[in-house]
Amino acid sequence: EDKVVQSPLSLVVHEGDTVTLNCSYEVTNFRSLLWYKQEKKAPTFLFMLTSSGIEKKSGRLSSILDKKELSSILNITATQTGDSAIYLCAVEVSGESKYIFGTGTRLKVLA
Amino acid sequence: DTAVSQTPKYLVTQMGNDKSIKCEQNLGHDTMYWYKQDSKKFLKIMFSYNNKELIINETVPNRFSPKSPDKAHLNLHINSLELGDSAVYFCASSPSDGNTQYFGPGTRLTVL
Repeated sequence: EDKVVQSPLSLVVHEGDTVTLNCSYEVTNFRSLLWYKQEKKAPTFLFMLTSSGIEKKSGRLSSILDKKELSSILNITATQTGDSAIYLCAVEVSGESKYIFGTGTRLKVLA
Repeated sequence: DTAVSQTPKYLVTQMGNDKSIKCEQNLGHDTMYWYKQDSKKFLKIMFSYNNKELIINETVPNRFSPKSPDKAHLNLHINSLELGDSAVYFCASSPSDGNTQYFGPGTRLTVL
């Protein structure tokens, strides 16, 4: 059965800390892995990682795909209170038009 | 044992047709959602619904309407389909505290 597992489930840090969120997957035909940030309403797209693009960076956020380990990490450096959110990982399964979402990591950044 | 399921996985149809996408969750959640994923992978919320309240994103055309026969189901009806409706549509559900949403596998709609 295809699945996506995120860890930790929740995390509390202080402003300025660096955090690493994990996403591991087991799918039949991997196509891409996506990261979203969800605050109060709809998730906001962060990154998409594929075999041809295994590392992405935007400001303080960066993500790496490890196809050998079937996992991805999302790094946030110099965290701010505005980074507090649920971070969702999703894997697209090739040929099935199917996305499998993890249950998310809840990050809370304290001032 | 699927938590959130959607049918069909693929839907190919002609402009002007009316179609429905079904969503079911077996998690006992109170709130369900419909999202549209655009070509840039953004997830745009269309509706959120629980047994008390329907919240509609005001940018959603009234050709789209959610129908909830019971707490475990939230179906999406689309009238007079247009080319721009082509996208992947996701259903999701969350418990009453709304902390975590569980997403379905998505339905890829193609309008020809």
